[in-house]
Parts: sequence; structure tokens; C-alpha cells
Amino acid sequence: DAKTTQPTSMDCAEGRAANLPCNHSTISGNEYVYWYRQIHSQGPQYIIHGLKNNETNEMASLIITEDRKSSTLILPHATLRDTAVYYCIVRVGGWVAGGTSYGKLTFGQGTILTVHP
Amino acid sequence: NAGVTQTPKFQVLKTGQSMTLQCAQDMNHEYMSWYRQDPGMGLRLIHYSVGAGITDQGEVPNGYNVSRSTTEDFPLRLLSAAPSQTSVYFCASSYERGVNNEQFFGPGTRLTVL
Repeated sequence: DAKTTQPTSMDCAEGRAANLPCNHSTISGNEYVYWYRQIHSQGPQYIIHGLKNNETNEMASLIITEDRKSSTLILPHATLRDTAVYYCIVRVGGWVAGGTSYGKLTFGQGTILTVHP
Repeated sequence: NAGVTQTPKFQVLKTGQSMTLQCAQDMNHEYMSWYRQDPGMGLRLIHYSVGAGITDQGEVPNGYNVSRSTTEDFPLRLLSAAPSQTSVYFCASSYERGVNNEQFFGPGTRLTVL
């Protein structure tokens, strides 16, 4: 799975958009970009994923550059409850037969997002 | 649905003791896995299972055993606890074999080995 690079920490004012960048310059053609977050002391929570088109759901938007070497997670109106560690993960979608990649999520250090009043 | 449940929430063991961390899901998910998270670190995969009767090792399997006798349950056994196994353990599950294999995580078990 491709390696990702994220800033260590970011701040955002409540009510403003939070834009979290992720670099994945070695991404392969069959690898997806997934975002999870982990609120303090809780289990990680899935946010969104995409291949090459921009994606939006009720939680966030995902913008992937045309060359797919980087992406941005957007929380449109951040709240205090969005304070968490955000993980950008690149991996082959679905299950990979015969290997150790079944469902494996490789978590890096992530970005600590702090939303302040 | 209760989702993914884990018991116990907290556990303190002495070196050399054995115990089983329980994980259950009620979503009929085929895939289940165990991760550990050390302070300030990301999660690391211990073991995983793609269905009842099928298990395999992740990246840090030493000192742990798993079995999958039913779709719902995926217990993690510590054979002889060591202080290096002090960590937070998360169980996860997912259903789809396709792209949209969102994984659901349990609340975690906080284990301290003295």
C-alpha cells in the first residue's frame, strides 16, 4: 500500500471549513484514498473514500487531484465535536486474494485537528 | 444493531497471566480483525479473519492467538501476558468484498500488564 504524508496538527475555528491535506505521491492505479478519524479514546470511525472522482457524503467531501498524488478532506462546517485525529489511508479497494492485505488499514500518525470556539 | 462490542473495557494483568479479549458483531460481517494502538501511535494489525474457520496473521501477531468459530465472534487470546502488550486493543469488522468495505470499530479494551 502507498505511503501517505499528513501534517502533524491543524487548527480550525468552529463553523469554518476544515481542509485536511494528504500526500500520496506513490499511489497506484487500483488504490483508493480512505479517511478515518479517531476521537479521543474511541475506536476509529470511517468518514469517506474515493478513487479519482471527488466524493461527498453527509460528513465530509473528498477532493482528489487529477494526478491522484494528493487529496484534501473537507469538513464544511467544523464543530467542537470534530476535534480528533484524522487518518488518510491509501489501499487497494476490497479484498486482495492470497495476500496479507485483506481489509488491512495501515494507520500512520494522522493529523490532530483541533476545532476551537 | 449493537454494532461491534468488546469486553472487557479495562483489564489489568500480571506478567505471565493469560486472558481472552472478546469481540462480537451483529451485522453479519465476514471480515473481522484485531488492532493494537500504543500511546501516540497509529493502529497496527494483529490478526484478521475473512470468515468462520479462517484466520491469518497481521503485522504484529506474536504473543496472540485467534479463532473464528462463528461469524459473530472473534476472540483474541493473550497466551502469556508481557508488559510490551500493554496497549489499547480494537476489534473491527466489515461486510462487503467490494470497494465499499467500510470498517466498523469497537470501543476498545484498555489492557495494562504489570
